[in-house]
Amino acid sequence: SQTIHQWPATLVQPVGSPLSLECTVEGTSNPNLYWYRQAAGRGLQLLFYSVGIGQISSEVPQNLSASRPQDRQFILSSKKLLLSDSGFYLCAWSGGPGGNEQFFGPGTRLTVL
Amino acid sequence: QKEVEQNSGPLSVPEGAIASLNCTYSDRGSQSFFWYRQYSGKSPELIMFIYSNGDKEDGRFTAQLNKASQYVSLLIRDSQPSDSATYLCAVNHYKLSFGAGTTVTVRA
Repeated sequence: SQTIHQWPATLVQPVGSPLSLECTVEGTSNPNLYWYRQAAGRGLQLLFYSVGIGQISSEVPQNLSASRPQDRQFILSSKKLLLSDSGFYLCAWSGGPGGNEQFFGPGTRLTVL
Repeated sequence: QKEVEQNSGPLSVPEGAIASLNCTYSDRGSQSFFWYRQYSGKSPELIMFIYSNGDKEDGRFTAQLNKASQYVSLLIRDSQPSDSATYLCAVNHYKLSFGAGTTVTVRA
C-alpha cells in the first residue's frame, strides 16, 4: 500500500530564516506530487505540482520554491520566510488506479514569528 | 466567483440524523468530484469520489452529482459524534480546486 510522509510535523521559525520541508511517497512509482498550504480557517491553496523528476509547476508567485530531486521526493523551500508564510503545509500524491484522487500526507504546521 | 463554493456552517445535527452538505462549482468542464473529511489539526482524508451524474453510496455516505446544475452533495446517514469534522468539496478539471469546507458538529 502507498504511504506518504512529511517532516517535520511542526516548525517554528523566525522571519527571514530559510525553510526546507520534505515529502516522500512509498509504494508507488512516478506519482504526481503536490504542495498545498492551508491558512487558519481557510481553504487549501495549491502552491506547486510535479509530474516527474525536475518538473515543477508553480501556481502562485511567492517566495517559496519546490524541487523534485527523486521520483518519490518533493521538497518545499524558502530562502527567507515571511510572517504570511505561516500555515499548514500539505503534500499530496496522485496516480493511483483511479488516477485523479489525491491523497494527503500528515502535514507540517509552520509558525513564522 | 469562487471556483468551488460550500456553506461554511457550522452544521449541527443530532446523533442518528442525516447531515446534508452542498457544494457548487463554476467550471462546466469539471469531470471528477471528491469529498474529503478533515478533523481539527489533521490532514484531509478522502472519503468519496464521484464521476457520473446520480448517486454513489459507500456505507453511511452518499455522494450526489448533477452536472447540469453544477452541484454535488454529500449525505451522511445515521450521523455519529465521530463524524464531527470539516468536509471539503474538491472539483477536478485540469487541477483540483477545493472549497473552504463545511464544519459539521454531531451532538449526542
